Amino acid sequence: GQQVMQIPQYQHVQEGEDFTTYCNSSTTLSNIQWYKQRPGGHPVFLIQLVKSGEVKKQKRLTFQFGEAKKNSSLHITATQTTDVGTYFCAGRAGNNRKLIWGLGTSLAVNP
Amino acid sequence: EPEVTQTPSHQVTQMGQEVILRCVPISNHLYFYWYRQILGQKVEFLVSFYNNEISEKSEIFDDQFSVERPDGSNFTLKIRSTKLEDSAMYFCASTGSGGGITEAFFGQGTRLTVV
Repeated sequence: GQQVMQIPQYQHVQEGEDFTTYCNSSTTLSNIQWYKQRPGGHPVFLIQLVKSGEVKKQKRLTFQFGEAKKNSSLHITATQTTDVGTYFCAGRAGNNRKLIWGLGTSLAVNP
Repeated sequence: EPEVTQTPSHQVTQMGQEVILRCVPISNHLYFYWYRQILGQKVEFLVSFYNNEISEKSEIFDDQFSVERPDGSNFTLKIRSTKLEDSAMYFCASTGSGGGITEAFFGQGTRLTVV
């Protein structure tokens, strides 16, 4: 079945360092979404990417969707302690409404 | 800001007992979902619901599970005979009419503990 792999599983950085998490799908996606889950919280939507090669920015966060629409990345520039949490990618294939989630990358930031 | 609400926040139940988890999706949303997350693990899709019927379900969503929209606002997940491995955080989510960005709004979750 369709799978979404996400790496790394954990990342520990010093405040101010950059951070990147990568997602790879076994199948072509119609779109990919990114969510952030704070410890003890629920997933909160960050962004959706739809077009091949799309790049979107939200302040220090940069999201990319690969040309083949099978991979995606989230890059955080100059991390802050408020960035702590688990970042999930979740993809949809075709007209399917089901989101297939990656395992998530847990980010810890040392002040 | 509209939000998805879930009750209870925490439920402890004995193995073999039935539980009902309740959700009130955002009022003008049309698609409803249940996900579960075992502690520290990924979010797993259980079921989606549209137009008063199940539109998709995962292999996890077996005969022990059922969903219902008993009135215009509530969306429930029933587990008929709970097992220890059903212990997890259960999230309800809803999305709008589907055109364009289909952001899923999640509730705060119900932590189910089966003992």
